[in-house]
Amino acid sequence: EVQLVESGGGLVRPGGSLRLSCAGSGFTVRTNYMSWVRLAPGRGLEWVSSIYSGGQTHHADSVKGRFTISRDNAKNVVYLQMNSLTTDDTAVYYCTKANSPFTWFAPWGQGTQVTVSS
Amino acid sequence: EIVLTQSPGTLSLSPGEGATLSCRASQNVNSYFAWYQQRPGQAPRLLIYGASSRATGVPDRFSASGSGTDFTLSISRLEPEDFAVYYCQQYDNAQYTFGQGTRLEV
Repeated sequence: EVQLVESGGGLVRPGGSLRLSCAGSGFTVRTNYMSWVRLAPGRGLEWVSSIYSGGQTHHADSVKGRFTISRDNAKNVVYLQMNSLTTDDTAVYYCTKANSPFTWFAPWGQGTQVTVSS
Repeated sequence: EIVLTQSPGTLSLSPGEGATLSCRASQNVNSYFAWYQQRPGQAPRLLIYGASSRATGVPDRFSASGSGTDFTLSISRLEPEDFAVYYCQQYDNAQYTFGQGTRLEV
């Protein structure tokens, strides 16, 4: 069974950093298109970042230059390094996968809460 | 950025009734379109991909249609577990966008 388990969320002050992890099981992270999507209070889902099987990455304009997606093939884990956090980054962050770019996301992890507050 | 506008924002119905949810894209996304269901405290779940294809395990009371800019999700004979938030998504380009959600409530 394909499963995604996120961790690393928490409370951080504005300007701080946090690294989220997404452990995959039942499939190989390296050969899939892995993404992070967030759900902020009162707002809809927002795509954040993706990493291609070939290693290329792309990010939403709202996080470009602050967030970096990466992966550890040996550990079958995807990361989201978040720097210069603002209150607007407060959200539940979900890890999800797709078989390739330009397709739908499934399945999704249970999410990890990130709260940016002073 | 392709903006997706869902309507209505909230839909109040009773079990056994039918529901129709809409999503309009600000530009043509062909059939690169999906619907997700999110129950309280749970992860989003893929319902529909390719604008009209049901994902594995999705009951046939869920159906969807549309292409281009206008899309519809229909749910016949609402079950208690169907009361949730529904999101639409376009994947026509790599700047994926979602609608703001429709809350289906009792």
